[in-house]
Amino acid sequence: DAKTTQPPSMDCAEGRAANLPCNHSTISGNEYVYWYRQIHSQGPQYIIHGLKNNETNEMASLIITEDRKSSTLILPHATLRDTAVYYCIVRVASGAGSYQLTFGKGTKLSVIP
Amino acid sequence: EADIYQTPRYLVIGTGKKITLECSQTMGHDKMYWYQQDPGMELHLIHYSYGVNSTEKGDLSSESTVSRIRTEHFPLTLESARPSHTSQYLCASSEWGTAYGYTFGSGTRLTVV
Repeated sequence: DAKTTQPPSMDCAEGRAANLPCNHSTISGNEYVYWYRQIHSQGPQYIIHGLKNNETNEMASLIITEDRKSSTLILPHATLRDTAVYYCIVRVASGAGSYQLTFGKGTKLSVIP
Repeated sequence: EADIYQTPRYLVIGTGKKITLECSQTMGHDKMYWYQQDPGMELHLIHYSYGVNSTEKGDLSSESTVSRIRTEHFPLTLESARPSHTSQYLCASSEWGTAYGYTFGSGTRLTVV
């Protein structure tokens, strides 16, 4: 699986957009980019995923560069409840559609009042 | 509303005891996973299952065992608990294919004294 690199921590002012970067320069053409977050010590929560195109849902937007070597997760209006560790993961299906997600250290996002 | 349930939420138990951590999901997912996470550290995959009667070891060696007799149930057992087993154990499930993310439970925080 492609490795990912994320900054260990970031701060964001409440109400502003939080832009979380992720580098995945060795990503393969059939690998997806997934974002999860973990609030305090709860179970990680799925946010969004994408392959090539930019994606948006009710939680966030995912911007993937044209060469797919990096991506940015955007929380458009960060709130205090968005304080969490955010994980960027790349993974391909292997063996009959199965796959396992490998979580790295992630980025600790602190939303500041 | 959670569709994947872990019990107990917290457990403090003495060394040498046998324990079973329960995980059940109501989504009909074939794939289920157990991750272990020490405070402030990364999640590590310790077991996974592709379906009934399927169990595999994950990336991190663990003295625990799992079983999958029913699709919705994936319990984890420690035959003889030790202080080194103190950790948080997170269960997750998913559908086949990379288009689907994982759904995590709230976790069981285990302390062995």
